[in-house]
Amino acid sequence: DTEVTQTPKHLVMGMTNKKSLKCEQHMGHRAMYWYKQKAKKPPELMFVYSYEKLSINESVPSRFSPECPNSSLLNLHLHALQPEDSALYLCASSQGLSSTGELFFGEGSRLTVL
Amino acid sequence: ILNVEQSPQSLHVQEGDSTNFTCSFPSSNFYALHWYRWETAKSPEALFVMTLNGDEKKKGRISATLNTKEGYSYLYIKGSQPEDSATYLCAFGSGTYKYIFGTGTRLKVLA
Repeated sequence: DTEVTQTPKHLVMGMTNKKSLKCEQHMGHRAMYWYKQKAKKPPELMFVYSYEKLSINESVPSRFSPECPNSSLLNLHLHALQPEDSALYLCASSQGLSSTGELFFGEGSRLTVL
Repeated sequence: ILNVEQSPQSLHVQEGDSTNFTCSFPSSNFYALHWYRWETAKSPEALFVMTLNGDEKKKGRISATLNTKEGYSYLYIKGSQPEDSATYLCAFGSGTYKYIFGTGTRLKVLA
């Protein structure tokens, strides 16, 4: 199984809502990533979990809250988002920690904040 | 700030044409250069990961070269087919967990 599964594929939420994005992989990968991509921009790193611990937080606003309940799951909790947070959120995983390793991506969750 | 540039931004070619794209990246703190293929509504998939200056990789009609001293990589597609239509992303690997992406080249192959 070389898949990274993300749910939901699409999410529309109001600025006062609380929602979560979910990501799952069963490849035994030790690093998991959240990227944000706006139209015609490159994917931008938000968070990295390594061995279930938060290793990198790229100065992401606290309205985004990551969680790694176990080595296969990665969540992104969303609360009090702004319309400018509308984007494609991509989850990825890698076997090791070095950037010489291939990233395995999910299909992304398309978020619209009204 | 580390910057990865890709050109062209988009490209339309006729079926059967050969084409190539460029990825420019910093020449310092290099770990790897990745190429990903991203079809609409699908997940990006790795094409190549290159780590050594002068690396050349090939997969079917697609090949890539790497020059770490001058900071560029080329992706070549020979005899483009409609199914090659996708966005081609490069990513500069620079340390632990650090992948810096370009904006991609959007390729449309016309039948």
